[in-house]
Amino acid sequence: QSALTQPPSASGSPGQSVAISCTGTSSDVGAYNYVSWYQQHPGKAPKLMIYEVTKRPSGVPDRFSGSKSGNTASLTVSGLQAEDEADYYCSSNAGGHTYVFGTGTKVTVL
Amino acid sequence: EVQLVESGGGLVQPGGSLRLSCVASGFTFGSSWMGWVRQAPGKGLEWVANIKGDGSQTTCVDSLMGRFTISRDNAKNSLYLQMNSLRVDDTAVYHCARWGVTAGLDFWGQGTLVTVSS
Repeated sequence: QSALTQPPSASGSPGQSVAISCTGTSSDVGAYNYVSWYQQHPGKAPKLMIYEVTKRPSGVPDRFSGSKSGNTASLTVSGLQAEDEADYYCSSNAGGHTYVFGTGTKVTVL
Repeated sequence: EVQLVESGGGLVQPGGSLRLSCVASGFTFGSSWMGWVRQAPGKGLEWVANIKGDGSQTTCVDSLMGRFTISRDNAKNSLYLQMNSLRVDDTAVYHCARWGVTAGLDFWGQGTLVTVSS
């Protein structure tokens, strides 16, 4: 149950796109289509942004999209806005009802 | 409106025990998988444990198995985390959260801070 690997930081100007990778193994990301992404603003609880690799909960802007290839999942934020500046975490099922989170990526809007 | 409110955190000495509680409202608690996730100061999220709606199945991260136990009381709409043999590196904010049918944690509490220090 090692943490999934994410880049520590990513950045983009308003209106641009930023992509965040999440690399696991064939026992977690590669094995299941249960990858989720969470957004966390400082001092706040995390918020679910993407589930089952590509799906958005009600209320999440379609600027947020997810994908997966092999052992690596990705979150793309298009049309960056100031309020998108936050920490982002991926998560994957790791067998049974066990889960693992990513190391987290701080997104900065320049 | 879904609400999850944690309590029970505080300062405890290494080797001590603590029991965290989470009271849920706004949804059918007994039908939902629930979980605990922790976040050490300035660090990332770490999944801790899950429990099925009827309490019949629990899972826990390998590194905490034997020290942490998740349980629930559906009559009280409450989730618990019993933490024993606490260590300094267990210091964290502990969040309870609901697993939606989407296999994502769709509602989170604000968390309760546990500080393990002598």
